[in-house]
Amino acid sequence: AQTVTQSQPEMSVQEAETVTLSCTYDTSESDYYLFWYKQPPSRQMILVIRQEAYKQQNATENRFSVNFQKAAKSFSLKISDSQLGDAAMYFCAYRSASSGTYKYIFGTGTRLKVLA
Amino acid sequence: DTGVSQNPRHKITKRGQNVTFRCDPISEHNRLYWYRQTLGQGPEFLTYFQNEAQLEKSRLLSDRFSAERPKGSFSTLEIQRTEQGDSAMYLCASSLGLAGAPYEQYFGPGTRLTVT
Repeated sequence: AQTVTQSQPEMSVQEAETVTLSCTYDTSESDYYLFWYKQPPSRQMILVIRQEAYKQQNATENRFSVNFQKAAKSFSLKISDSQLGDAAMYFCAYRSASSGTYKYIFGTGTRLKVLA
Repeated sequence: DTGVSQNPRHKITKRGQNVTFRCDPISEHNRLYWYRQTLGQGPEFLTYFQNEAQLEKSRLLSDRFSAERPKGSFSTLEIQRTEQGDSAMYLCASSLGLAGAPYEQYFGPGTRLTVT
């Protein structure tokens, strides 16, 4: 069974600085997708960034980028130029690419605090 | 269409009562998912529909839980004989469903259930 581990329950970053959130996963599959979702307080989860396992190039979305290390089964999220609005819970999620299995497996989350 | 909606947003019930939650997905999405999120944890998969067919159920979904998606549109999640351990946030998500595509899931705001 696949598992996702986020070992940092909480992180803090100064506004305008850079922070990296860690995520590791365990799977025997070779084809899968990885996601980072953001859950602001009392608001719904939104997708931050997505990575296909078959792509060697790391995904980037504006200030958000990932460091995908397939052999190490690591998928970290880097947030550059942190803003107050980035404060939220961040969840790493795994999804198999095998047909018929579409559920996400989530980590326990990292709470990000942004200090003004 | 502004996204996935869930009703009610909050539900307080006494132990032993039955509750039903509703999820309205994004209109063109054929896949619908239910997750449960407890405090300090990431969402855990409960069940998944493709159109009106329930294709996958977690072992977390005990006999007291039932989900339906009549006509492949909205979905309901019913919990019978609620227990205090059922207290959680129940999240609904929807996505497009084309084979081989990493379509992300769009989440609703959730229904927070408190069982007293």
